Amino acid sequence: GENVEQHPSTLSVQEGDSAVIKCTYSDSASNYFPWYKQELGKRPQLIIDIRSNVGEKKDQRIAVTLNKTAKHFSLHITETQPEDSAVYFCAALAGTASKLTFGTGTRLQVTL
Amino acid sequence: GAGVSQTPSNKVTEKGKYVELRCDPISGHTALYWYRQSLGQGPEFLIYFQGTGAADDSGLPNDRFFAVRPEGSVSTLKIQRTERGDSAVYLCASSTGANTGELFFGEGSRLTVL
Repeated sequence: GENVEQHPSTLSVQEGDSAVIKCTYSDSASNYFPWYKQELGKRPQLIIDIRSNVGEKKDQRIAVTLNKTAKHFSLHITETQPEDSAVYFCAALAGTASKLTFGTGTRLQVTL
Repeated sequence: GAGVSQTPSNKVTEKGKYVELRCDPISGHTALYWYRQSLGQGPEFLIYFQGTGAADDSGLPNDRFFAVRPEGSVSTLKIQRTERGDSAVYLCASSTGANTGELFFGEGSRLTVL
C-alpha cells in the first residue's frame, strides 16, 4: 500500500518568513495530493491540493509543487502570519485506491 | 446539515466496555470514511463506505471494530471490549464520491479508555 513520509515534524519560523514542508510517497499510481491544516482540537481542513497532471499550484500565500519522477511534493507558505500556526498534513491518493494516506504531520509555529 | 457531525464529542469508558460513535455526513455525500488519529500522528484509515456497503475495511485493526451505514447516510463505528490502546480521536469524513478529491472532516469523537 501507499506510504507517505513527511518532514520536518516541527518547524518554527518568524512572522513574514517562508515555510516549506516536504512529503514523499511510495505508490507511483498516486495521482492526487492534498494538504490539510489542523488547528488544536479542530478538524483537518483542506487548504490546497494538486493532481498529477500539473507540477505546481498556487493560491495566494500558499503553493504546492509536485515532482512525479522523484515522488515528492512540497507545501510552501510565504509571508507567514501567526494564524498559520497549526499542524499540517500531506496526503496521497492512488487512482485505484479509495482512501487517502496521510503523513505524520508538521507542527508549524509562527513567532512574532 | 452544513457539515459533518459526530457524536459524542468526548467519550470516557472503562476497559472492556462497548462503545458506539456516530457520524452524520454532509447531505448528498455518498462516500463516508472513518479515520483514527492518535496524539501527534496523522489520520489513519479505518474503513470506507460507498453508499450502504463497506467498500474497503482494510484499516480496521481487528474484529473488535465494526462499522455500519444501513441507509447510506448516518454511520456508526462500533468498538467491542475496548482496550486502553483504542484511545484516540475518531474522525469521520465524507465526500461526493470515491477519488473525487476533498474529504470534509467532522470534529471527531475523542475516546478515552481507562
